Amino acid sequence: SQQGEEDPQALSIQEGENATMNCSYKTSINNLQWYRQNSGRGLVHLILIRSNEREKHSGRLRVTLDTSKKSSSLLITASRAADTASYFCATGLSGNTPLVFGKGTRLSVIA
Amino acid sequence: KAGVTQTPRYLIKTRGQQVTLSCSPISGHRSVSWYQQTPGQGLQFLFEYFSETQRNKGNFPGRFSGRQFSNSRSEMNVSTLELGDSALYLCASSPMGAGQETQYFGPGTRLLVL
Repeated sequence: SQQGEEDPQALSIQEGENATMNCSYKTSINNLQWYRQNSGRGLVHLILIRSNEREKHSGRLRVTLDTSKKSSSLLITASRAADTASYFCATGLSGNTPLVFGKGTRLSVIA
Repeated sequence: KAGVTQTPRYLIKTRGQQVTLSCSPISGHRSVSWYQQTPGQGLQFLFEYFSETQRNKGNFPGRFSGRQFSNSRSEMNVSTLELGDSALYLCASSPMGAGQETQYFGPGTRLLVL
């Protein structure tokens, strides 16, 4: 079963605009991770944010985590055509339980 | 370091056959996880192996099995293939554990069952 749910399911923007994707989850987490997947390929890790952190940055990526609302957001600034991909959030629970992935947001950046 | 590799990359089988997929993790990684990805169900966790032991198992029938060797390479096997097994099979490795740290994914094996 999916723990995280991304919103929106699909997003289409112009190059240079910012893209925001949201992830909501149901149970307490140890960490939340964001991954990118280009069409039909493996997933690439973007950012891991732990439950005691509120915000993390990596280049043009900004991730926030609100554990009180059980939600996270991924912001991509100044998007490029190469950012076109599916983006997944995944929640890590306590102990050695595996990551649980959401169904993803499909982002299209139009040049 | 070399990344996670999966073989074969593409596979076509017919119903009733069995298939074995292989995954070589990043050197030094002891945890290998397998996922099935389909358009309808998204990424579904199959199982995780750590130091040759299955540590976690997803909600899949017994036709899906796996193992891990002493060099951390892992294989998964699907017996009596069904049409619904058509999917992208992804493996991921990490140093210690699936849920607590970054997972490094391979490119996947795309399986088509006819």
